[in-house]
Amino acid sequence: QAVVTQEPSVTVSPGGTVTLTCGSSTGPVTSNHYPYWFQQKPGQAPRTLIYDTNKRQSWTPARFSGSLLGGKAALTLSGAQPEDEAEYHCLVSYGSSRMFGGGTRLTVL
Amino acid sequence: VQLVESGGGLVKPGESLTLSCAASGFVFYDYYMNWIRQAPGKGLEWISYISSDLRTTYYADSVKGRFSISRDNSRASLFLRINSLTVDDTAVYYCARGGVTSPFDFWGQGALVTVSS
Repeated sequence: QAVVTQEPSVTVSPGGTVTLTCGSSTGPVTSNHYPYWFQQKPGQAPRTLIYDTNKRQSWTPARFSGSLLGGKAALTLSGAQPEDEAEYHCLVSYGSSRMFGGGTRLTVL
Repeated sequence: VQLVESGGGLVKPGESLTLSCAASGFVFYDYYMNWIRQAPGKGLEWISYISSDLRTTYYADSVKGRFSISRDNSRASLFLRINSLTVDDTAVYYCARGGVTSPFDFWGQGALVTVSS
């Protein structure tokens, strides 16, 4: 069974730029894994930010972008805001199966 | 779009439980639907999906054999039957739309299932 890995925690300064990554134990993450990124704030349900590597939902702020970087899926936040402090989860598809990473706790400080 | 889970609560190990997800604000039978769970203080775990026409279901290896997903398109409702509950099934269970022929987009607020003697 594949394992999806994310940084446990990352800190960014207000207004700064940060990149979160999502790797797979089976090898490079590609567009064929249709990677997703979700944001979850304490006590709330997750919210979909990015799908199919780099497509934003209609509610996703433009400061969030998705890409593939060094064999991993990546979520870049440019111009971090205090309200971006949250847990970020990636999801990778393996054929019919889906696997989440362990999540990254992003602190804006 | 609204997804509202129900049926959670405190159950004893070995018991069974059925969770429901009531959908509104969209054409339910046009979408795949999913169940995803989150144990306390842990990450998300995708559990299962079901196709819009009920013909296709898929489960995570960790729940195969004990979990059963179903839907009633006439009632715009999604269900998850969990048998032989264990303490490791304690989690918030979310339903979410899409993820196969269309992207994951909307999530419910979740239903808490606590398994304890």
